[in-house]
Amino acid sequence: DTGVSQNPRHKITKRGQNVTFRCDPISEHNRLYWYRQTLGQGPEFLTYFQNEAQLEKSRLLSDRFSAERPKGSFSTLEIQRTEQGDSAMYLCASSFDARVAKNIQYFGAGTRLSVL
Amino acid sequence: LAKITQPISMDSYEGQEVNITCSHNNIATNDYITWYQQFPSQGPRFIIQGYKTKVTNEVAFLFIPADRKSSTLSLPRVSLSDTAVYYCLVGPGPMSTGFQKLVFGTGTRLLVSP
Repeated sequence: DTGVSQNPRHKITKRGQNVTFRCDPISEHNRLYWYRQTLGQGPEFLTYFQNEAQLEKSRLLSDRFSAERPKGSFSTLEIQRTEQGDSAMYLCASSFDARVAKNIQYFGAGTRLSVL
Repeated sequence: LAKITQPISMDSYEGQEVNITCSHNNIATNDYITWYQQFPSQGPRFIIQGYKTKVTNEVAFLFIPADRKSSTLSLPRVSLSDTAVYYCLVGPGPMSTGFQKLVFGTGTRLLVSP
């Protein structure tokens, strides 16, 4: 396993279109996170899954955003009716929930979204 | 949410020790402090995590005073490849949730010159 994989790496879309990103976490990790990062800023938490259950969502995750993690494996993040303000890097991370493991999140390289 | 402050940028030379301090005045009792490194067009990469006092690993030291309102990441003998953005993160630790509280700092851009 080579780490967290995100696809596509880059996405250019027109305002109003829908986009979907995919994240494949490290295989034994049961926690999965989505973040958004804009230029010059740190990542901002969007949502968190424990296995297939979406347990937390940020106020940043408007009703145009939806995330799924069917079967507790890969996850998708969909943005409907994209707006120019959605342009950002979308990062996925995963971690292993264990009694002795630190809650270390391993990040993918991200999907850079540009909304024209 | 914790408010996190870091220096915007720092400059250093190869072989020097670099100390980056992060201020997190309203850190919660259960929060841990984690530092990540990020290169352009890559996701953040874990460096070190701690709760209090001093933590060490093969790449860095983390110093956390008793009041936990700040933390200092120490990189001994930096090299050119350490040029990156360093983020301080305050949030849930092992076996914890509450990720809506998780806050990254704005990052410190470290430039290491020959």
